[in-house]
Amino acid sequence: SAVISQKPSRDICQRGTSLTIQCQVDSQVTMMFWYRQQPGQSLTLIATANQGSEATYESGFVIDKFPISRPNLTFSTLTVSNLSPEDSSIYLCSVISLGGTEAFFGQGTRLTVV
Amino acid sequence: DAKTTQPNSMESNEEEPVHLPCNHSTISGTDYIHWYRQLPSQGPEYVIHGLTSNVNNRMASLAIAEDRKSSTLILHRATLRDAAVYYCILRPFNFGNEKLTFGTGTRLTIIP
Repeated sequence: SAVISQKPSRDICQRGTSLTIQCQVDSQVTMMFWYRQQPGQSLTLIATANQGSEATYESGFVIDKFPISRPNLTFSTLTVSNLSPEDSSIYLCSVISLGGTEAFFGQGTRLTVV
Repeated sequence: DAKTTQPNSMESNEEEPVHLPCNHSTISGTDYIHWYRQLPSQGPEYVIHGLTSNVNNRMASLAIAEDRKSSTLILHRATLRDAAVYYCILRPFNFGNEKLTFGTGTRLTIIP
């Protein structure tokens, strides 16, 4: 199993600013994923964060808006840049353990942009 | 990615069995069927997965049709804590393709 600590749990930010979300895992994992969940909606994958290489972004998401770092096998950050009210969502970190099939999720970061 | 179709919502009485259906008519031979659920204000959690045979674990059972074009998640005795959105997801068994693509899911309401 894997335990994920995601910080902050929530934040209220001014438009035009940025928010960096941290994801810490209690074990080494190969792949880390960042999702967005807009109000009342399902989860949408933003990108896959690979250690030692550039993140792989899904269609509709770009590095300039959602820069990701993955400095080691237990930690990643997602930055949501140049915030607008449309970025108000829950952002979730997810991992799959080495050799595992089950995905684990953080509790999420609830972002409100005002 | 192959798509899944689930009812938007279902209701069930507490302490009764619940059968949550999922259609996946375009499933490929290497797709595993995964189920996750998302309790209110929490991230999704793994429930169960299978390939061809029916599967049981402490949380639920997964019944897979012989042609694999549909499956059913079975909660044997629903409790109020089972109220959640349940997602049926197809995931290819390819190393390097572990991402999960979420559909709209089924919102399960448990009636006391």
